[in-house]
Amino acid sequence: GQNIDQPTEMTATEGAIVQINCTYQTSGFNGLFWYQQHAGEAPTFLSYNVLDGLEEKGRFSSFLSRSKGYSYLLLKELQMKDSASYLCAWQGGGSYIPTFGRGTSLIVHP
Amino acid sequence: GAGVSQSPSNKVTEKGKDVELRCDPISGHTALYWYRQSLGQGLEFLIYFQGNSAPDKSGLPSDRFSAERTGGSVSTLTIQRTQQEDSAVYLCASSLGSGGANEQFFGPGTRLTVL
Repeated sequence: GQNIDQPTEMTATEGAIVQINCTYQTSGFNGLFWYQQHAGEAPTFLSYNVLDGLEEKGRFSSFLSRSKGYSYLLLKELQMKDSASYLCAWQGGGSYIPTFGRGTSLIVHP
Repeated sequence: GAGVSQSPSNKVTEKGKDVELRCDPISGHTALYWYRQSLGQGLEFLIYFQGNSAPDKSGLPSDRFSAERTGGSVSTLTIQRTQQEDSAVYLCASSLGSGGANEQFFGPGTRLTVL
């Protein structure tokens, strides 16, 4: 989506921590999703943020700063199965239809 | 319970032919979305249905694309006179409602190849 920017690819080591950033236009913000998509599979929901701050859910956490138009997904204790594409999806501009970024391909190596 | 299902899983067609893609959402979900995803790209929004309201067609790339949702359940996406640039994975998603934190549940997609 034209309003959303995230890195194309990241690599990390098994057991490490990785942070995937997402920036978006701030006007008319309603909410922000993170989805995980393994190769050849459908996206699955990870998190939703509408208020500023950190939402923790097991090994995955998501952070939002509405004033900065910025979110990140934090993955701890990385496992090989975390290798996937991570999609940031923005709701805004008067609509609740999520607009997806191009996704960040995360490669976890031993 | 059953998730979102789509058919066919794969479709190969010749340029100029029409294709129909089907989506069965999760029972009780009022919102239904169609997206397409080209290789290495994000999800491109196509069309959105919510209950009995008029659909949001703002993402349809041309008038060759149309979709309907019958009885508030099954949806069909039709592409007329297919072109090679229509080749992509077409994903359907449904959600319980349309506002705020309603997460989308995606189907497995239909991989369309236009020769």
